[in-house]
Amino acid sequence: NAGVTQTPKFQVLKTGQSMTLQCAQDMNHNSMYWYRQDPGMGLRLIYYSASEGTTDKGEVPNGYNVSRLNKREFSLRLESAAPSQTSVYFCASTPSGLYGYTFGSGTRLTVV
Amino acid sequence: GESVGLHLPTLSVQEGDNSIINCAYSNSASDYFIWYKQESGKGPQFIIDIRSNMDKRQGQRVTVLLNKTVKHLSLQIAATQPGDSAVYFCAESIQGGKLIFGQGTELSVKP
Repeated sequence: NAGVTQTPKFQVLKTGQSMTLQCAQDMNHNSMYWYRQDPGMGLRLIYYSASEGTTDKGEVPNGYNVSRLNKREFSLRLESAAPSQTSVYFCASTPSGLYGYTFGSGTRLTVV
Repeated sequence: GESVGLHLPTLSVQEGDNSIINCAYSNSASDYFIWYKQESGKGPQFIIDIRSNMDKRQGQRVTVLLNKTVKHLSLQIAATQPGDSAVYFCAESIQGGKLIFGQGTELSVKP
């Protein structure tokens, strides 16, 4: 049982480049989330998808877009990367709001 | 506003001692609280949770205490081991599932 799988694990981008972070879960969870984690700070919610077909903004959505491709997959896109988006990105999923999240192992992104 | 904060950013304990990590929350409407452990280079890992209708919940070597009167949450780790060294986050659940995380406490276990 793989849980939550994120790809890639590491990425270096130049300012202005675009890329998509992939996330897939095999637990049949309804809700999926994207967080970023910066040094000395907790996890901040970027976007979430409460169920297949829906997406909503979180605390820090600017500069990002998401797609809930199907129940398993939830991708995060950076259209024009900026150095301020250098961070570790975590995807998470949960069956519903009654339970805690299962996190992926993260994508470490550096924008130069 | 909604916030979850930790009292101590770092905690150093001797192997075998008990550890207590504290957390304050501000939203009295929160009804679900979770503790996560994050080891270096890994994603947060669920440790234990508690709902607002409970004051205490025990797991294997861990206990979570909830004091709703003062909006305080604590994680107790018994007989702390070197493998417990990590950053610990508390989180509160609001509006059906979105978690708000605190900044984290780094626990360092000295052999």
